[in-house]
Amino acid sequence: DQQVKQNSPSLSVQEGRISILNCDYTNSMFDYFLWYKKYPAEGPTFLISISSIKDKNEDGRFTVFLNKSAKHLSLHIVPSQPGDSAVYFCAASASGTYKYIFGTGTRLKVLA
Amino acid sequence: KAGVTQTPRYLIKTRGQQVTLSCSPISGHRSVSWYQQTPGQGLQFLFEYFSETQRNKGNFPGRFSGRQFSNSRSEMNVSTLELGDSALYLCASSGGIDQETQYFGPGTRLLVL
Repeated sequence: DQQVKQNSPSLSVQEGRISILNCDYTNSMFDYFLWYKKYPAEGPTFLISISSIKDKNEDGRFTVFLNKSAKHLSLHIVPSQPGDSAVYFCAASASGTYKYIFGTGTRLKVLA
Repeated sequence: KAGVTQTPRYLIKTRGQQVTLSCSPISGHRSVSWYQQTPGQGLQFLFEYFSETQRNKGNFPGRFSGRQFSNSRSEMNVSTLELGDSALYLCASSGGIDQETQYFGPGTRLLVL
């Protein structure tokens, strides 16, 4: 049972445009969400997080939106840069479980 | 502050052998989690340790085990290796001011022949 889903395995965007990566979850107990970026042969790098008490969190070019009623979150990257090309994972956790459930990732390619 | 370190980075084993992987968390972090990543799969949660106690575990067979030491360093062990155990094993630590965010090490790439 895939509790966290990233339905787009890949995404191509032109440099300077907006990249939107999506993530859906099924467990209503999830209350903390994170996005990670991963390059080949490296561990995931933390990008941005959001707790369920918020619906938006920004950090520079990265913004995460949370829609609890739809059980959906998205990561916006504006403007997209070639160095953003990587695999992006969303992850979710429920308080007190000490366990993070990851999606299968979306490969973003930013075209110069 | 040094990041999460994992040793070894690469490992080749044969079926039936056992393997031990090591993880040193960020200084001050007391929680260590382990994940398995295989092609086409996301990161699959193995287990999480805090203060030498396993607080949660994923759906992996008993061949996968772990432990944490008093200095928060952690090891995971896989016994009776199978071909399907070939994967990238990632360790993540959390703690400090931001208790919820996990920071990952570079991983150990295990190949079982």
